[in-house]
Amino acid sequence: ETGVTQTPRHLVMGMTNKKSLKCEQHLGHNAMYWYKQSAKKPLELMFVYNFKEQTENNSVPSRFSPECPNSSHLFLHLHTLQPEDSALYLCASSQAGTGSATNEKLFFGSGTQLSVL
Amino acid sequence: AQRVTQPEKLLSVFKGAPVELKCNYSYSGSPELFWYVQYSRQRLQLLLRHISRESIKGFTADLNKGETSFHLKKPFAQEEDSAMYYCALRSGAGNMLTFGGGTRLMVKP
Repeated sequence: ETGVTQTPRHLVMGMTNKKSLKCEQHLGHNAMYWYKQSAKKPLELMFVYNFKEQTENNSVPSRFSPECPNSSHLFLHLHTLQPEDSALYLCASSQAGTGSATNEKLFFGSGTQLSVL
Repeated sequence: AQRVTQPEKLLSVFKGAPVELKCNYSYSGSPELFWYVQYSRQRLQLLLRHISRESIKGFTADLNKGETSFHLKKPFAQEEDSAMYYCALRSGAGNMLTFGGGTRLMVKP
């Protein structure tokens, strides 16, 4: 499949579980992102990886732990989540430039709908 | 800190009517603004960007720095325009986007 693929599409977990979300991009991009989309809030940026290095952590609680083993794969490890963490988690990728701002277009996956019980 | 505000959660118009989806931003520097769209059962995708000054699917958006706005407009709405529309701001160097809360556009026949 081309583009940005996220698995699983749906996930239900208890507060004591440990699970991981996976994102894979087949676009040759060098930047990947995790966004959180809650029912009553705007899309929130969680993490940014450029060239496999984490460049942004947008004040995300430590119960969310990202991992980027290579430029094509991005994981979000989850542990001891809270019910308020239930949301749609979107992965995106782009071809990041260097230096000053460039006009990179974000390509989004379909998301993982997470429910924490 | 930057902020993007879309004051309307829902906008409902009839087919053929003009459409304007409002977006206001707050940012002290020189912003780059985008509109993203999500059609039913599809992924979020880029619609247009202010730097390109382009018209996509009949939509245009002009950056008004005086009013700190980037409203999305289309003179004649079509039913296939029904979707969620998100305004987004990129601030400074790098590739972080701040999104607005989104506006659901419903175009009635």
